[in-house]
Formats: sequence, structure tokens, C-alpha cells
Amino acid sequence: AQSVTQPDIHITVSEGASLELRCNYSYGATPYLFWYVQSPGQGLQLLLKYFSGDTLVQGIKGFEAEFKRSQSSFNLRKPSVHWSDAAEYFCAVGANYGGATNKLIFGTGTLLAVQP
Amino acid sequence: SQTIHQWPATLVQPVGSPLSLECTVEGTSNPNLYWYRQAAGRGLQLLFYSVGIGQISSEVPQNLSASRPQDRQFILSSKKLLLSDSGFYLCAWLRALGTEAFFGQGTRLTVV
Repeated sequence: AQSVTQPDIHITVSEGASLELRCNYSYGATPYLFWYVQSPGQGLQLLLKYFSGDTLVQGIKGFEAEFKRSQSSFNLRKPSVHWSDAAEYFCAVGANYGGATNKLIFGTGTLLAVQP
Repeated sequence: SQTIHQWPATLVQPVGSPLSLECTVEGTSNPNLYWYRQAAGRGLQLLFYSVGIGQISSEVPQNLSASRPQDRQFILSSKKLLLSDSGFYLCAWLRALGTEAFFGQGTRLTVV
């Protein structure tokens, strides 16, 4: 079964510093990979996604992520964090289980705090 | 454009009372629909998914049930709520694998 691991529950960075959020997945084939962000009390917004092609994908709000098959990882990065980036970030794996059965499985999330 | 509506936004219910959360989707047909529960430190746990009318799959044993009476309607229910049912419930739809999943604004359920 597919699974997603986000080893960092809580990260604090200073504004202007770089950021990397880790994500590891378990799946037999190349999955669809996603990063979502959730602001307090809100729904989820897609930051970026990967399925094939260039392993470095660009997303909204200056985020990027790199797919590394050998490490089963899809880490999210941002070169310079802004205070408005404080939120919870979720990595997700999408996979097909036959026919129209598609599942989207999320990690436990990483809560990002930004210090001034 | 596609939109997803979820209500109510907040709900406080006594233990043992019934529950009905509704989710409707506009601007698409035959979507995959999902119910997730978000609890602190546990991320988004997939509870149910549906690939079509009347087709419900449960991911985890629980006190809740789901139904899909219409193509774009997905309902989460319980006959008797437990304290452990408290949490933030999110409905989502997915047109096809690899596309963006769209989420409702969520329902904050507190069972007292």
C-alpha cells in the first residue's frame, strides 16, 4: 500500500532563510506527487505536482520540489521564506487502484513557523 | 469553473447524537469524491472515497458512514457520535489522477 512520511512535524525558520520540507513515499511504481498548503482554518491549496518529466518542478508562491526516485523523496524547497508562508504543508501521493479508483494519500503534515 | 461546497462550517454535537455533513460539487461530472478527517498531528486521514453513485469504499474501521445519492453529492453520517469523532472534516473531489484535487473549506466538528 502506498504511504507518505513527513518526518518533520514542526519547523521554525527565520524570515528570509531557505526552507526544505522533507517527504518520502512508498509506492511500487512512479506515483503522482503533490504538495499542498493549508492556512489556519482553511482548506488545502495545491502548491505543485509531479508525475513525469523534469524532476525539478516549480510551483506557486516561489516553491519548488525535486523528485528523487532513488531516495523515494519529493522534498519541497523555497530559497527565501516570507512571513506569509507560515502554514501547514502536506505531501501527498496519488495512485490508481484499477479502473476509476484513484486514491490521494497524505502525509501527517509539517507545521511551518516563520520568525521575524 | 469547478467548485465544491461543504457545510456546515462548524458543528457542536452531543455524544450519541446523529451527524450529517454534506458536500456538493459543481462544474464537473462523475468525479472521484473523498472524505478526509484531520486531527492534530495525524495529518489528513482518508475515511471514504467514491467513484460513482452508490459506490462507497471505506478506508478505516470507524463509527462513520458515507453515501453518494447523486453524482455530485457526498454525505458523511453517523447514527451516534463519539467523542473521538471530533475533528476537522474535509471533502475533496478529483477529476482524474494527476490532476489537482479540490477541497471544501471543511467542517470543524466538536463532540461534547
